[in-house]
Amino acid sequence: KQEVTQIPAALSVPEGENLVLNCSFTDSAIYNLQWFRQDPGKGLTSLLLIQSSQREQTSGRLNASLDKSSGRSTLYIAASQPGDSATYLCAFNFNKFYFGSGTKLNVKP
Amino acid sequence: DGGITQSPKYLFRKEGQNVTLSCEQNLNHDAMYWYRQDPGQGLRLIYYSQIVNDFQKGDIAEGYSVSREKKESFPLTVTSAQKNPTAFYLCASSITGSNSPLHFGNGTRLTVT
Repeated sequence: KQEVTQIPAALSVPEGENLVLNCSFTDSAIYNLQWFRQDPGKGLTSLLLIQSSQREQTSGRLNASLDKSSGRSTLYIAASQPGDSATYLCAFNFNKFYFGSGTKLNVKP
Repeated sequence: DGGITQSPKYLFRKEGQNVTLSCEQNLNHDAMYWYRQDPGQGLRLIYYSQIVNDFQKGDIAEGYSVSREKKESFPLTVTSAQKNPTAFYLCASSITGSNSPLHFGNGTRLTVT
């Protein structure tokens, strides 16, 4: 069974800070990795998708990296804003998607 | 706009009753999925379907049933056999293929008392 771990479980930062969310997995034979954002009571919104052949993807203030050899992915958020407050989940695709339990981010004004 | 519609948003049932959650997509995706989300846990796969009239059990299928009679629709029935049905249920879809991203609906929160 694949294991996906997200650290930290919760994070509180002041507005404007750069931050890194971590995700680790136990099997390097992935097809792709997806980062999602979830607001309270809502579904998941896809942020970034990295294929197994790629090392990173960028979208605006977000940058996600993938290191298959170490079994890790990071989501970097630059210049955080209160509107970034949400739970961030990573999911690895091993022909089925396996999800971490998420990092709950609070950006304080 | 294309997307996934889950209804209703909130659902309340008495213990012992079966209940069906709706999921409809207009993205023309072949694959559809049902996940369960409990507080502090990752999403767990209940059932998935990669083609009409075919579906497979996920990691926690006991007490649930599905059908896939149309490409656009993948309803989930929570039966009275499910011992702890209160949860947030999420439907997702994707293009069939190992490189395709998942797209999610807004979820249905089921409360059974």
